[in-house]
Amino acid sequence: DTGVSQDPRHKITKRGQNVTFRCDPISEHNRLYWYRQTLGQGPEFLTYFQNEAQLEKSRLLSDRFSAERPKGSFSTLEIQRTEQGDSAMYLCASSLSSPGLGETQYFGPGTRLLVL
Amino acid sequence: DAKTTQPNSMESNEEEPVHLPCNHSTISGTDYIHWYRQLPSQGPEYVIHGLTSNVNNRMASLAIAEDRKSSTLILHRATLRDAAVYYCIPGDDKIIFGKGTRLHILP
Repeated sequence: DTGVSQDPRHKITKRGQNVTFRCDPISEHNRLYWYRQTLGQGPEFLTYFQNEAQLEKSRLLSDRFSAERPKGSFSTLEIQRTEQGDSAMYLCASSLSSPGLGETQYFGPGTRLLVL
Repeated sequence: DAKTTQPNSMESNEEEPVHLPCNHSTISGTDYIHWYRQLPSQGPEYVIHGLTSNVNNRMASLAIAEDRKSSTLILHRATLRDAAVYYCIPGDDKIIFGKGTRLHILP
């Protein structure tokens, strides 16, 4: 198992364009999380899935953002009509939720987005 | 979500032990305590976690106070590669990252 992977690693786009990021979790992990991190700050929670179901969305996730995990494996995060404020590192993490054992999240390397 | 208090930054000499403290006085009785770290330009990385007993793994040790209101991450022999921001995270599912402790290692 190679861990959590994210694609692309870097994305430069112009304001107003749509972008889509992909995350491939560790196989058999039932939970998948998206976070966003801006320079000098800690990561901020955006949303998470348990299998195919999106269980929680942060208020940070405006209606321009949408995330899917159609088959309970990989996930995509789409940003429509990008704004310069969307420039950040987008991190994906996966975990195996096992009640009573503590849930450890494993993070991917992130996708760095720059909106010009 | 339990709130945490960690020093903003700490310094240690290379090959010396490092003790990183965390207060989590509002932790619930069933919350695990996780520690993650983030090296420069990388995603966060799991370090260790525990519930009540002290824990050891190849990376670090975790000492948990008897009342569970605080914990200490122990790096036994710090190396330059341990320079990172260390986050103490009580609880499971979504992670609410605080500011963490930025650890500087002096050669």
